[in-house]
Amino acid sequence: DAGVIQSPRHEVTEMGQEVTLRCKPISGHDYLFWYRQTMMRGLELLIYFNNNVPIDDSGMPEDRFSAKMPNASFSTLKIQPSEPRDSAVYFCASSLRDRGLRGYTFGSGTRLTVV
Amino acid sequence: AQTVTQSQPEMSVQEAETVTLSCTYDTSESNYYLFWYKQPPSRQMILVIRQEAYKQQNATENRFSVNFQKAAKSFSLKISDSQLGDTAMYFCAFMNHLTAVDSNYQLIWGAGTKLIIKP
Repeated sequence: DAGVIQSPRHEVTEMGQEVTLRCKPISGHDYLFWYRQTMMRGLELLIYFNNNVPIDDSGMPEDRFSAKMPNASFSTLKIQPSEPRDSAVYFCASSLRDRGLRGYTFGSGTRLTVV
Repeated sequence: AQTVTQSQPEMSVQEAETVTLSCTYDTSESNYYLFWYKQPPSRQMILVIRQEAYKQQNATENRFSVNFQKAAKSFSLKISDSQLGDTAMYFCAFMNHLTAVDSNYQLIWGAGTKLIIKP
């Protein structure tokens, strides 16, 4: 199993540009999570999906952020327009709901820098 | 609301020593799951160990073991014979059993403890 695959690993963009982060979850997993990690705020859950359906997007900071999961093997997190305060590491994680014991499997993250 | 508290922002020990990271949580539920995740400088989040609350026996994974004190709502991680590769952020996380079987399926995270292993 290749694990959770995120791309790109690093992204540097200028303020105002659109940024798209990508995630391929582990095959067979029915949950997908997008997190943001910063020194100041730690790990923040942005949104999560169950069977491709968004369940809770209350963590999405504002309308500039959007996430989609068009099928079970692919999800995107888009920021448009990007701002310097969006600079962070963005993680995707997936999980198979099995009484919760499995926990989550994380991707390697995308380090986003907005200049 | 459930919360997870890691009271040690940073710890530092010599290689080969034993170190214990603390974690406390707050819940009114009786069945739940607890996890320790490790995040080394490579930033990959790695599941280290997990525990089901209804199991009395403390979980162990090689040099990693937990001290689960349900009444005290404490879930500490012990690392024996620490190695340089153990240098990382360590996060404690909680999931309510009921949460795990309905659509609200979220881990509750602590703020993390930065562990430095010195040569």
